[in-house]
Parts: sequence; structure tokens; C-alpha cells
Amino acid sequence: DTEVTQTPKHLVMGMTNKKSLKCEQHMGHRAMYWYKQKAKKPPELMFVYSYEKLSINESVPSRFSPECPNSSLLNLHLHALQPEDSALYLCASSQAQGLSYGYTFGSGTRLTVV
Amino acid sequence: AQTVTQSQPEMSVQEAETVTLSCTYDTSESDYYLFWYKQPPSRQMILVIRQEAYKQQNATENRFSVNFQKAAKSFSLKISDSQLGDAAMYFCAYRSASLTGTASKLTFGTGTRLQVML
Repeated sequence: DTEVTQTPKHLVMGMTNKKSLKCEQHMGHRAMYWYKQKAKKPPELMFVYSYEKLSINESVPSRFSPECPNSSLLNLHLHALQPEDSALYLCASSQAQGLSYGYTFGSGTRLTVV
Repeated sequence: AQTVTQSQPEMSVQEAETVTLSCTYDTSESDYYLFWYKQPPSRQMILVIRQEAYKQQNATENRFSVNFQKAAKSFSLKISDSQLGDAAMYFCAYRSASLTGTASKLTFGTGTRLQVML
């Protein structure tokens, strides 16, 4: 299995809703990432997990809450989002020690906040 | 902090022709990795090619090759025999080789949208 699977592919939520994005990989990668991508822009790093521990938080608002329950799964919990949070959310994984191999990305969740 | 610059927002190429996408970067590090990613309308970021900074030889993957000029901090992507399926947004990316953490950040350029014409 050489894929990163993200669910759901599309999500529409109201500003008072609570929802979660899910990311799964079975490649044995021990580093996992959340990126946010606005239209026609490059991805922006949000969070990095290394060996299931949060190692980088790029000053992301607390309405985004990441969770890494095990080495294969990464969640992003969403609460009280704003319309400007509408974007493509990409998950990625990499071998923690294999820095030259780049990341493997999922196909993303298109989030719309109404 | 490292920065990655792609000065061509859009490029176009005729099918079967060759096109070169430019990328420059700024870093004070001597050891790092460079990547080109492709993002088609399907949204998934796909790794096209990678280059280790300590290697002088330019990386090649089938129709894709790079021109890595370390002193000039330049990392261009050449696509030969362009195909319709090459149409996508292409991002150049930088990753430090520093092992201060077990995972390191991938820094992207602003992207170049490539159109392939019949």
C-alpha cells in the first residue's frame, strides 16, 4: 500500500458545527503532516507529527485541533470555523529518517465553511 | 528561513515539445533536498523528481530531468516530449537535511501552471 487516504473528499459545515478530517497510511511512515491550500496558492504547513507526537504547530488557531491516535492515523478536528478557513486540506506522510524521499500526499479534503 | 521562488506563474508548451520550468531558492544550509511536485486538477500532489544537494549529477526520471546549479541556487525542471497528461500546477520544494527533528518542513514555491496545447 503506497497511498495516503483522506476522508471525506468534500465537506460543507456551518460555523457552529464540529467535524473531523481523517487521514490514514499503511506505509510505515512515522511522520505525518497537515497542510492547508487555498486556490492557486502553494500548500501551507499547519502541523507535523513525528512518532505520534506533535513536533510542529505553525501557530494554527485553536479551532483546528490535530490528533494522532496511532502511527497510521491522523485526524484534524474542526470547531467553530470561519468562512476564510474554506480550503483544500492535504495530509502527507514521510519516512521520519528518510528525508530525501519527500512526502506522499493524499488527495485532500475540500472544505467549505458556510 | 529558506525561501523558494518560481518566477513563471504560467507556461504553455506544444504537445511533444520540451519545456523548462524555473525555480530558485535561498538557503544558508549546505545539505538539503529539492523536489518538484505536480498537482493536477485531481488535487493530489505527486512527486515528480528529487535531488540531493550533495550530488553533482542531475536527477532524471524518464521524460523529466533537472538542471541543479548549487552555487546559483537554481533548480529547473525540464519536461521532454510533453504530453496532455503533464498539464498541471508544478511546485518546486525545499527540505532541510538537518536532523534536529525527526521530521522536517517542506517549503514550497508559488507554483507554475503548465498548459499543454495540441
